[in-house]
Amino acid sequence: GAVVSQHPSRVICKSGTSVKIECRSLDFQATTMFWYRQFPKQSLMLMATSNEGSKATYEQGVEKDKFLINHASLTLSTLTVTSAHPEDSSFYICSAQTSTKADTQYFGPGTRLTVL
Amino acid sequence: KQEVTQIPAALSVPEGENLVLNCSFTDSAIYNLQWFRQDPGKGLTSLLLIQSSQREQTSGRLNASLDKSSGRSTLYIAASQPGDSATYLCAVHEAAGNKLTFGGGTRVLVKP
Repeated sequence: GAVVSQHPSRVICKSGTSVKIECRSLDFQATTMFWYRQFPKQSLMLMATSNEGSKATYEQGVEKDKFLINHASLTLSTLTVTSAHPEDSSFYICSAQTSTKADTQYFGPGTRLTVL
Repeated sequence: KQEVTQIPAALSVPEGENLVLNCSFTDSAIYNLQWFRQDPGKGLTSLLLIQSSQREQTSGRLNASLDKSSGRSTLYIAASQPGDSATYLCAVHEAAGNKLTFGGGTRVLVKP
């Protein structure tokens, strides 16, 4: 149980385009989802926290207009990187949490974004 | 602001040697602490979760200790194997429902 998927696993796009990444909780309802970014050989940095049906809370330094997060259902959150640039190339990982087990986050497998 | 530090950043040992990975955190008011494994280009695999009221957790060859008052956790991996080569991350959970703060990780290489 407690499986989180991400789609796509890899994406390559041209500079200036927008990319959408999906995060799904497959067998539980995720009241909260988190989006992390990981640059090569660095640790995970939290970008934003999203609760189902409400606006995401962004960490300091993360542009909310550039990284659009939608958590429209209890099983799906999306991260859209708008007008992507090469410096946005990174590994994006989501995690999901349920209200009945708030001490545990279940992580997705990650999405490798490369912006040319 | 919570800060999590992992030392060393990289570690190379011969097969069979025990591994000791250290994690320290600045704010002892944590809810729990978790150790993860990450293989190159992959997501995270949860290894052990220690609640703030616990002193240690064990799973097979892995043992993690927690000293909340001093802000430290140690992950021990006994009799290391080449398959243990990966990056190990610790993360602290400051309160239920709040974010995880990750350390920088320790990259482990176990040489056959």
